[in-house]
Amino acid sequence: EDQVTQSPEALRLQEGESSSLNCSYTVSGLRGLFWYRQDPGKGPEFLFTLYSAGEEKEKERLKATLTKKESFLHITAPKPEDSATYLCAVQAGSARQLTFGSGTQLTVLP
Amino acid sequence: NAGVTQTPKFRVLKTGQSMTLLCAQDMNHEYMYWYRQDPGMGLRLIHYSVGEGTTAKGEVPDGYNVSRLKKQNFLLGLESAAPSQTSVYFCASSLITGIYENYGYTFGSGTRLTVV
Repeated sequence: EDQVTQSPEALRLQEGESSSLNCSYTVSGLRGLFWYRQDPGKGPEFLFTLYSAGEEKEKERLKATLTKKESFLHITAPKPEDSATYLCAVQAGSARQLTFGSGTQLTVLP
Repeated sequence: NAGVTQTPKFRVLKTGQSMTLLCAQDMNHEYMYWYRQDPGMGLRLIHYSVGEGTTAKGEVPDGYNVSRLKKQNFLLGLESAAPSQTSVYFCASSLITGIYENYGYTFGSGTRLTVV
């Protein structure tokens, strides 16, 4: 059974204080690892897909990396508007659907 | 660009009542999914569809039924609602991309359902 674990559950940062969110996974045959952002009362919004260990993707202050066991979402000099819940998901084996972690709730204080 | 539209946005049901949640997408996506989101448990897959006329069970299918009569619509039904089905329901769609899922899901804005 595919498992996705995100840590920490919640993270509070001061504006400009860089940090990383962790997504560890146990799957058989990873085909893709996805990061989403979810704002309160809204559906998740797609950020990145990573396919193989060593791959990196960047978007503004966010950078996602992937190893064989985990992925990190690095947030550089965050701003209050980066506050959201960040979800990690995997697609593995012959599955067409994604398996999600429970998310990290990020709060960036001004 | 509407993307994925879910109706209704909010609903309160009494135990034992039935209802249907509607999901519509205008992106010509083949795949559609229904997830529920509960505090501390993340998104869990209820049912999904890989094309018009086909559906399959996900992780938590009990108490729900689905239909995909048209490619753009995916309906989620609750035949006899229970308090345990109080949740936020999200519909999503995605393209078929062969081996790799290049674009991920496009989600709707959710339906907040309370069963009393």
